[in-house]
Amino acid sequence: AQSVAQPEDQVNVAEGNPLTVKCTYSVSGNPYLFWYVQYPNRGLQFLLKYITGDNLVKGSYGFEAEFNKSQTSFHLKKPSALVSDSALYFCAVRGLGGGFKTIFGAGTRLFVKA
Amino acid sequence: DTAVSQTPKYLVTQMGNDKSIKCEQNLGHDTMYWYKQDSKKFLKIMFSYNNKELIINETVPNRFSPKSPDKAHLNLHINSLELGDSAVYFCASSQEGLADVQYFGPGTRLLVL
Repeated sequence: AQSVAQPEDQVNVAEGNPLTVKCTYSVSGNPYLFWYVQYPNRGLQFLLKYITGDNLVKGSYGFEAEFNKSQTSFHLKKPSALVSDSALYFCAVRGLGGGFKTIFGAGTRLFVKA
Repeated sequence: DTAVSQTPKYLVTQMGNDKSIKCEQNLGHDTMYWYKQDSKKFLKIMFSYNNKELIINETVPNRFSPKSPDKAHLNLHINSLELGDSAVYFCASSQEGLADVQYFGPGTRLLVL
């Protein structure tokens, strides 16, 4: 069965500092991995995805994520956090075994302090 | 020119009532979804349609019935509403490949009193 774990409910970081939001996954076969962001009272917005190729994926708003097959992880990173990055971040996975079903993690709330 | 739209945005109703939520996408996508987000922000898929055919039907009470009149629309009808149905319901759409991104609507906040 497919699953996604986001081990931190909340991540706190000071503006200008690097941030990491963690995600690990379990899937049959090759994973299709996604990060989405949700701002208050809004729907989810796509940030970036990993399908194949380079393990470092670059996405919107300066975010990037590193795919690590051996650790089955797909951590979201940004070199310098902004207050406006404060939001709820979801990691998601799809695999051939799950068909069209996307499994979302429980979400990690990122709080960037000025 | 909103990509995925939902109506209504807010829905407050009494237990036992029947209500519908409508969703429309103008992205030309083949696949549409309904998700439920609970008070702890946990997001769970309920249904998915591909070209008007049901392809995902999670363990959802049969009080919930999706209907797709055409590829661009996926509506959700809920019978005999219960307190536990209170949540935010999101519609989403995508192309049909595993690598394709989902585009989410703004959500419908349902409160059952």
